[in-house]
Amino acid sequence: SAVISQKPSRDICQRGTSLTIQCQVDSQVTMMFWYRQQPGQSLTLIATANQGSEATYESGFVIDKFPISRPNLTFSTLTVSNMSPEDSSIYLCSATERELGGELFFGEGSRLTVL
Amino acid sequence: KNQVEQSPQSLIILEGKNCTLQCNYTVSPFSNLRWYKQDTGRGPVSLTIMTFSENTKSNGRYTATLDADTKQSSLHITASQLSDSASYICVVSASGGSYIPTFGRGTSLIVHP
Repeated sequence: SAVISQKPSRDICQRGTSLTIQCQVDSQVTMMFWYRQQPGQSLTLIATANQGSEATYESGFVIDKFPISRPNLTFSTLTVSNMSPEDSSIYLCSATERELGGELFFGEGSRLTVL
Repeated sequence: KNQVEQSPQSLIILEGKNCTLQCNYTVSPFSNLRWYKQDTGRGPVSLTIMTFSENTKSNGRYTATLDADTKQSSLHITASQLSDSASYICVVSASGGSYIPTFGRGTSLIVHP
């Protein structure tokens, strides 16, 4: 299995500021993803974090708002830029690896509140 | 369009009772189906994963079934405990190289003493 650590686990931010969430996996993984989970909702994929290249964003999400880095096979960051109250959500990092049977592992999430 | 529908949306049961959660999907071509448990404020944790050839898989008091012909799955919880209170999410992946799965909205289960 893969253990995924996210930080911060929660934060309260002011409107207009930016926050970077870090995701660390305890083993090398092929694919890493960033999800958003709004209250009472299921997970929505923001983007696939590609190692050494630009992330692949899903419809409705853009790089200027959610810049993502993935410098190696075990680490990724998601930045929520110019935050507004609508960005208040849980942001989850996940990873999968073929050698792990295609299992999808999740971090504990980062709960973001924007005032 | 790939879709995963779960029912019921929410469920309240008494401790010790059994319950069954449903998942219908239209993901094609099918690769695997997973059930996750998500406690409030935590990340999802995998309960079971099933491929096309598997009909039933158990993990303690959790038993998942899969009917690939009708594209339906169920998660049966036996002798529920208070700690079973959580959201249960059905996740289906397509084959063909993409590892981007389709998530259901989840069933919120509350177990009362």
